[in-house]
Amino acid sequence: DSGVTQTPKHLITATGQRVTLRCSPRSGDLSVYWYQQSLDQGLQFLIQYYNGEERAKGNILERFSAQQFPDLHSELNLSSLELGDSALYFCASSVTGANNQPQHFGDGTRLSIL
Amino acid sequence: DAKTTQPTSMDCAEGRAANLPCNHSTISGNEYVYWYRQIHSQGPQYIIHGLKNNETNEMASLIITEDRKSSTLILPHATLRDTAVYYCIVRGNRDDKIIFGKGTRLHILP
Repeated sequence: DSGVTQTPKHLITATGQRVTLRCSPRSGDLSVYWYQQSLDQGLQFLIQYYNGEERAKGNILERFSAQQFPDLHSELNLSSLELGDSALYFCASSVTGANNQPQHFGDGTRLSIL
Repeated sequence: DAKTTQPTSMDCAEGRAANLPCNHSTISGNEYVYWYRQIHSQGPQYIIHGLKNNETNEMASLIITEDRKSSTLILPHATLRDTAVYYCIVRGNRDDKIIFGKGTRLHILP
């Protein structure tokens, strides 16, 4: 158990819809990361938050957005969903985000777009 | 792009040591070497990391060459549950994110 909690575990929805994925970091971790894993793309970094502020952005589509709340949990919002958005979405957390601190990953949310 | 090169797949007999190599010839002095693994579609699991010195924890050992251009992850007594994709990653000062390559698919044979 990494200590990172993601909900829901599975999500099935239709094209054009909007969903929200939730992540609770490990106790004491201030930095949260979101990654997407699809069959053809591998694990891709989407976005990072540190103590409520956006710190780094990766290959995140404009239809996707995220935020980190004062209690440090984070949400990833995916809108105008397309078939290609079907993937595993992982959240990770670390204490501050420094490169000498490991990121610990949750078990992911499996998103299926029908 | 990932800064590391790993074999696509490897086999290891159960009970033997699994030695997974990784090349990172362009590594800089302040960049750390990390190893993660992913079992089936579970979340990546942190294994170990190091800068210059060899490291050991309850899961594995990490051997980094003196020139730091390559490293080896050692699982001392592989079990069937160690079957996974193993990722070798280099992280620098400005690399808050992790860049995953394709990793090594390790098969533990009974």
